[in-house]
Order: sequence, then structure tokens, then C-alpha cells
Amino acid sequence: EAGVAQSPRYKIIEKRQSVAFWCNPISGHATLYWYQQILGQGPKLLIQFQNNGVVDDSQLPKDRFSAERLKGVDSTLKIQPAKLEDSAVYLCASSLAGGSGQPQHFGDGTRLSIL
Amino acid sequence: SQQGEEDPQALSIQEGENATMNCSYKTSINNLQWYRQNSGRGLVHLILIRSNEREKHSGRLRVTLDTSKKSSSLLITASRAADTASYFCATASMNRDDKIIFGKGTRLHILP
Repeated sequence: EAGVAQSPRYKIIEKRQSVAFWCNPISGHATLYWYQQILGQGPKLLIQFQNNGVVDDSQLPKDRFSAERLKGVDSTLKIQPAKLEDSAVYLCASSLAGGSGQPQHFGDGTRLSIL
Repeated sequence: SQQGEEDPQALSIQEGENATMNCSYKTSINNLQWYRQNSGRGLVHLILIRSNEREKHSGRLRVTLDTSKKSSSLLITASRAADTASYFCATASMNRDDKIIFGKGTRLHILP
């Protein structure tokens, strides 16, 4: 089966600019996650979707970050305006269903650098 | 907030040796997962162990779980160069609505 697809792989922007990331999960996977991974740390959950509804966005900085999952398939994550501390890898993952008992399948991420 | 914490932070061993890394956590869990991340890539799921299980095997991987000590270990036997990666434990806490939290990881380097 095809894996989780993410684009772009790399993005460099200046602070205060906006940026968007795209994710296409594995076909049939109902649950989609966006993570932020800062260098040397583990992934931190930003938002979790179940189909096209939000399950958990408690750690999403909503004043600058937004995410949507149209039609319960693809998803986009946007940052506007970007800050220096947003430099990180943004990982998308999907699982067949929600709940911690399901393994998550990750894309290779988008590496964001803020100048 | 961090639940699981891996130990050691970094580990270098000779090819062919066994590698052991540990994960400690603070609150009761539903299950615990181990993931591998190669440099510049996404995480890959290795093993899930439930709170009522004590040991699981998958190929050269062995995972143990001791809920009384709130700790888990991942053993990689007969290590290979391809095992060079970061390894993360992810815990699903009973007290946090089953939310999964990743630790900071152990960076494993296999020397030729």
C-alpha cells in the first residue's frame, strides 16, 4: 500500500510569512495526526482528526496555526504568521481508526526553517 | 507535557552486539509503543505492548513491560548498521483520555 505522502519536503521562509503543508494519508485511514518535532525531541501532537472532525487540538497554537481535513481525506496545516520558534519538522501520520491501540503510519515530514 | 522518558539519550555499540534502551513513565498506561526514526525520515512503528502483557517479540526485537516499575525496555539483538536510528517510546495514558505522548528518544549508533 502507498504510504503517507507529505509535501513539500523542505521549506524556508522569513518570520512573519505564512506557510502551508499538505498531507495525503493512507487510503481508508480514518484518523489523521499532525505533529511538530523540534530537533532532538520526540513528536508533539498538534491536532488529531477523526474523518473530517477534530478530536484533539489542545496543543495547537490557534492564534497562528490552523488545520483542515476536507472530505475526510487530505489535510493541510497552515502557519500564519510564522515565528522563529516554529522551525521544526512537521510530521503527518494516519491510522486505521482512532485510539491508542492502532499503530500510526508516518510520512517523511516537512522540514521548516524560519529565517 | 512528557510522559515517557527514554534512557540512555544516546548509545553507541559495535555491530553484532545487543542494544538495550529503556523507557520510564509516570502515570498508568493502556499500552506502550516503540517507534524507530531514521535520519530525515518519518517514524516507523515497531511494537505495541498492552498493559496486561509482559513481553513481546518481533524478529530481533524484544520488548518488556513492567507496570509495577512503570518502565519498558527494547532489546535489539545482533545489531546491524541499518539499526542506526532514533528510538522512541509512546505511552497512552489512562488518565489522559488515551492520548499518546512520545518521549525524547534514544539515539542508537551501530559502529562497523
